[in-house]
Amino acid sequence: DADVTQTPRNRITKTGKRIMLECSQTKGHDRMYWYRQDPGLGLRLIYYSFDVKDINKGEISDGYSVSRQAQAKFSLSLESAIPNQTALYFCATSNPGTGGNEQFFGPGTRLTVL
Amino acid sequence: QKEVEQNSGPLSVPEGAIASLNCTYSDRGSQSFFWYRQYSGKSPELIMFIYSNGDKEDGRFTAQLNKASQYVSLLIRDSQPSDSATYLCAVHGSGNTGKLIFGQGTTLQVKP
Repeated sequence: DADVTQTPRNRITKTGKRIMLECSQTKGHDRMYWYRQDPGLGLRLIYYSFDVKDINKGEISDGYSVSRQAQAKFSLSLESAIPNQTALYFCATSNPGTGGNEQFFGPGTRLTVL
Repeated sequence: QKEVEQNSGPLSVPEGAIASLNCTYSDRGSQSFFWYRQYSGKSPELIMFIYSNGDKEDGRFTAQLNKASQYVSLLIRDSQPSDSATYLCAVHGSGNTGKLIFGQGTTLQVKP
């Protein structure tokens, strides 16, 4: 089945460390997104990309950067992790060319910054 | 005012009852509307989408859209304990932004 995968699934790191979260998809979708989810705050968009040459900031991009290495790969980096970046991170994809704007989510990465 | 609003709940219903989940949105030009189900610690899973005013049914689920009132709802008939989860409403606003705005979700508890 066409899928969205994320690695790692769980990560514990220390304040100040650089960390990369990776997302890969076999859906053939052009659009990819990174969200974080915190209790009581819902899903918040960090960055999104409509193709390999297109990167856009979301509502909470400070402290994060991204790289779209290929249509199928979209990585999220925390250059210097801080404790308030502890959250559940989701990658998602969409393909409006098929008629809709629905997004499909990966399994998530639980990140803990000590 | 939040762009997409949901009552956080929890909404508690007995098994076999109809669960009604509601969502309001602020962008009058919004074009498409989605309901996701999220089990604790898991990723959101798309269960319904609706683009036109009225009702759309899929099995035990019915999505209802009223653009004039800026209101979208999800009805779950014959609720089962396995329906216990958080339900996220998402809205694609006006313009071809490709972005969804999510509500904070409503937690549904179905009691046996």
